Amino acid sequence: KNEVEQSPQNLTAQEGEFITINCSYSVGISALHWLQQHPGGGIVSLFMLSSGKKKHGRLIATINIQEKHSSLHITASHPRDSAVYICAVAVGGGADGLTFGKGTHLIIQP
Amino acid sequence: DAEITQSPRHKITETGRQVTLACHQTWNHNNMFWYRQDLGHGLRLIHYSYGVQDTNKGEVSDGYSVSRSNTEDLPLTLESAASSQTSVYFCASKGSDEKLFFGSGTQLSVL
Repeated sequence: KNEVEQSPQNLTAQEGEFITINCSYSVGISALHWLQQHPGGGIVSLFMLSSGKKKHGRLIATINIQEKHSSLHITASHPRDSAVYICAVAVGGGADGLTFGKGTHLIIQP
Repeated sequence: DAEITQSPRHKITETGRQVTLACHQTWNHNNMFWYRQDLGHGLRLIHYSYGVQDTNKGEVSDGYSVSRSNTEDLPLTLESAASSQTSVYFCASKGSDEKLFFGSGTQLSVL
């Protein structure tokens, strides 16, 4: 079973700061997902990546397959970015291959 | 727009009762899943389905069942609710591009 570790568990930052959230996993994967969950809300998929880097607005996700590590970056952070960010890895195409991290709770203060 | 909806949003029930949580998606996805989310744990897979009439057990399937009679719906049934099943339940679907779509969740309390 793949172990997924996220760091930090909790992060509080000031508006405008550059944010980095890390995800490490123990077994080779076919894909990695970054998800966002707002308080009391549903879960939204931000990125799915298997190599390299993806960017969407102020969000950037990178993955290093050799090092089994991914990072999610937020540039020019804003209070509306406050949420739990979850990393999930897939070892195959099926749902039974998805393993989730426990999430990083991010608070951006104005 | 296509979407995935769960109902109810909140449910309180008593120990021993049968409870069914609904999940309906209009993405026409074959792959659908049920997860539970508890403090201190990541999302954990309860059951999943790859298509009509296909159902499979996940990591924490004891006490739960699902059925898949059409592409759109994957209801989750708790046969005899237990306090340990108090949790937030999420339904999700996945398309051929592997992107995940989640419902808004159901907060279930078993008293």
